[in-house]
Amino acid sequence: ETGVTQTPRHLVMGMTNKKSLKCEQHLGHNAMYWYKQSAKKPLELMFVYNFKEQTENNSVPSRFSPECPNSSHLFLHLHTLQPEDSALYLCASSQDLGEVATQYFGPGTRLTVL
Amino acid sequence: AQSVTQLDSHVSVSEGTPVLLRCNYSSSYSPSLFWYVQHPNKGLQLLLKYTSAATLVKGINGFEAEFKKSETSFHLTKPSAHMSDAAEYFCVVTPSGGYQKVTFGTGTKLQVIP
Repeated sequence: ETGVTQTPRHLVMGMTNKKSLKCEQHLGHNAMYWYKQSAKKPLELMFVYNFKEQTENNSVPSRFSPECPNSSHLFLHLHTLQPEDSALYLCASSQDLGEVATQYFGPGTRLTVL
Repeated sequence: AQSVTQLDSHVSVSEGTPVLLRCNYSSSYSPSLFWYVQHPNKGLQLLLKYTSAATLVKGINGFEAEFKKSETSFHLTKPSAHMSDAAEYFCVVTPSGGYQKVTFGTGTKLQVIP
């Protein structure tokens, strides 16, 4: 498989559940990103990792916990979420930190919090 | 400070007719501007980018955009719409093209009528 893949593609969870989103890139990139795309709102950058180290956390609530065990994998661990966290979560990767235009995006995980 | 406004949330055109998707921006610096496309169940794909070179930028799939500083606009156009162009389009601005301080528009859904 090539490009950036995300699993699961759809997820429904209750507010007390714990779940994880997975992102995998097969491009040999060093930087990975999590974005949140809410209905009728602009895409928001959540976290940035470069060579497995977190370089950016855009004031994301602690109920979202990212993990980057290696440059090819990125996880977003979810716990005690709120209904307003329902959104499309997009993962992206790029060779290095730099131009936004160099990022490759995955298809996203559609999350619904009940 | 910077912002981007996509003036239409939905645009509908007939197949074979021109496409115009409007984007206005504000920025304290000379901005870099991008257009992305998102097909259903797919990640964002870069269509074209402006980074202070030629003001008329050509992208993939026959799309182009013109940077007009006096009008603070970066509208996306295509002479003849295809059914495959039906998707959501996002205008993006950054101060320098970098991944930080990136602002996405809220998107314009393009419908192409046979």
